[in-house]
Amino acid sequence: GIQVEQSPPDLILQEGANSTLRCNFSDSVNNLQWFHQNPWGQLINLFYIPSGTKQNGRLSATTVATERYSLLYISSSQTTDSGVYFCAVDESGGYNKLIFGAGTRLAVHP
Amino acid sequence: DTGVSQDPRHKITKRGQNVTFRCDPISEHNRLYWYRQTLGQGPEFLTYFQNEAQLEKSRLLSDRFSAERPKGSFSTLEIQRTEQGDSAMYLCASSPGTGGYGYTFGSGTRLTVV
Repeated sequence: GIQVEQSPPDLILQEGANSTLRCNFSDSVNNLQWFHQNPWGQLINLFYIPSGTKQNGRLSATTVATERYSLLYISSSQTTDSGVYFCAVDESGGYNKLIFGAGTRLAVHP
Repeated sequence: DTGVSQDPRHKITKRGQNVTFRCDPISEHNRLYWYRQTLGQGPEFLTYFQNEAQLEKSRLLSDRFSAERPKGSFSTLEIQRTEQGDSAMYLCASSPGTGGYGYTFGSGTRLTVV
């Protein structure tokens, strides 16, 4: 099955700093999503981005499907950005199961 | 619509007991998914439904686990004869199946087997 690798596994930032999280996947995908899991365990859908670039406020994401990677950019980080960021892919494109990476644990300090 | 709802939020049970969790998806979503997440790991797929039809089950879903989605609305996940290894967060998600809107997750049910 498809493999999803995220890096870095852990990241510590000072408030206001920028960061880039990476997701590599081992095969072609038709669905890629980025999620943020807050300290209470809620998974929030950040981006549905099988290809191209999207922006939402201080967050943006780019997926280069032909090279099998996606990047999540966080600018001007805030303490509320802390949590775990997951990349998840569906190789079938039919809204079937998502395969999750192990996540990047982000801690933003004031 | 208030999103995907899961009940209960927390469940503590003794080993060997049966437990049942409920998930109410976003009403216009025809696909519903169950995932399990253990501490420090990403969610793992368990099973999913399109309307009332269960389309795929993971090998993680042993014979002690059963899921239903009667009438294609809410879903239940039952675990029989619980074991300590079943302790985890059980997450439900739904999607419209089309349109590029992705999956929406509920807040999860945290199960502790003592």
